[in-house]
Amino acid sequence: DIQMTQSPSSLSASVGDRVTITCRASQGIGNFLAWYQQKPGRAPKSLIYDASSLQSGVPSKFSGSGSGTDFTLTISSLQPEDFATYYCQQYSRYPRSFGGGTKVEIK
Amino acid sequence: QVQLAQSGAEVKKPGASVKVSCKASGYTFNNYGISWVRQAPGQGLEWMGWISADNVPNYVQKFQGRVTMTTDTSTSTAYMELRSLRSDDTAVYYCARGVWYDYWGQGTLVTVSS
Repeated sequence: DIQMTQSPSSLSASVGDRVTITCRASQGIGNFLAWYQQKPGRAPKSLIYDASSLQSGVPSKFSGSGSGTDFTLTISSLQPEDFATYYCQQYSRYPRSFGGGTKVEIK
Repeated sequence: QVQLAQSGAEVKKPGASVKVSCKASGYTFNNYGISWVRQAPGQGLEWMGWISADNVPNYVQKFQGRVTMTTDTSTSTAYMELRSLRSDDTAVYYCARGVWYDYWGQGTLVTVSS
């Protein structure tokens, strides 16, 4: 099974900051990686698929990069509505797997 | 617009079964598979399995023998049944569409308690 490791597990940032979250796969997954945002009490929301493709309707301040085993999600200028938990997920092989999540909190 | 509408919250006793439904609308149901993901209180997301557009299931080893995922194309509804429930099955269960999950259901809270 492929293990997905996110770092950091949490971070504190200020409005306007540039934030980067990393996700590492235990084996190569090509570009078969998605990123999701989840707010408390809500279902996850798709942000990025195929490692760097922006889901329709998602603002361009979100961007993804990487391939193989190392991936990043960047928020270019953090806004109040971006404080949430972010998850990566691989869909290269079964069973699919998620990272442990990164909670982005207000500094 | 695409929607996945899940059934309501359930409270079950240990050893019982639960069947959660996920009714799809706004797209051609047969063109996409449905995955099931759960989230225990305060925890991360856990992939349970999926059922493909041609109705072939794929389950995580952990749930093999306890879970069954099905679809009813006549009503555009997917189902996830989990049997022999334990207290650690208490979680919110989500359905999600496709290879990566562009649309999610609202979640169904399943509480297992004696």
